[in-house]
Amino acid sequence: GQQLNQSPQSMFIQEGEDVSMNCTSSSIFNTWLWYKQDPGEGPVLLIALYKAGELTSNGRLTAQFGITRKDSFLNISASIPSDVGIYFCAGPEYTPLVFGKGTRLSVIA
Amino acid sequence: DGGITQSPKYLFRKEGQNVTLSCEQNLNHDAMYWYRQDPGQGLRLIYYSQIVNDFQKGDIAEGYSVSREKKESFPLTVTSAQKNPTAFYLCASSPTGTYTEAFFGQGTRLTVV
Repeated sequence: GQQLNQSPQSMFIQEGEDVSMNCTSSSIFNTWLWYKQDPGEGPVLLIALYKAGELTSNGRLTAQFGITRKDSFLNISASIPSDVGIYFCAGPEYTPLVFGKGTRLSVIA
Repeated sequence: DGGITQSPKYLFRKEGQNVTLSCEQNLNHDAMYWYRQDPGQGLRLIYYSQIVNDFQKGDIAEGYSVSREKKESFPLTVTSAQKNPTAFYLCASSPTGTYTEAFFGQGTRLTVV
């Protein structure tokens, strides 16, 4: 089946730093989604990407749909304590969403 | 407000007992899903349903059962055959004709004691 590899698995950063994480797929995707999960809650959709090369922002978050259609990147600028959580990429083909294992972000004030 | 409601938030079960997790949505979505989350494992698909009275197994369906008698409801039963049921269970739904942009409930944490 489809596999998504996210990296890094975890990150510890200082408040105010920028963050980058990525996700790669074993197959081509037509859509990339990025979710954030706060501790003990369900994931919430942050950004959806629909076109290769697309760059989309949502506040301090910016995500890109890789031109190979097999990868995507998420950047967070000027991190704050509420950015703590697990960030998941998801990339449906024509099946239910497949998720990466997540990047766990910790922010040190 | 529109959304997905999972209940209960926390559930304790004795080993050998079946237990049913509730999931209700008022988003008018046709498709609904159940995922299991374990530490470091990401989200793994248990079952999904694209339409009332129809559902398909996901990657880890063994030991679980579902029903879809109403569009709004997709309950999950964790049976005694599930060997390691302690986990965080997430229900989601998505609009008609697409699997994209699933919306999640707040999850149920099941602990077997």
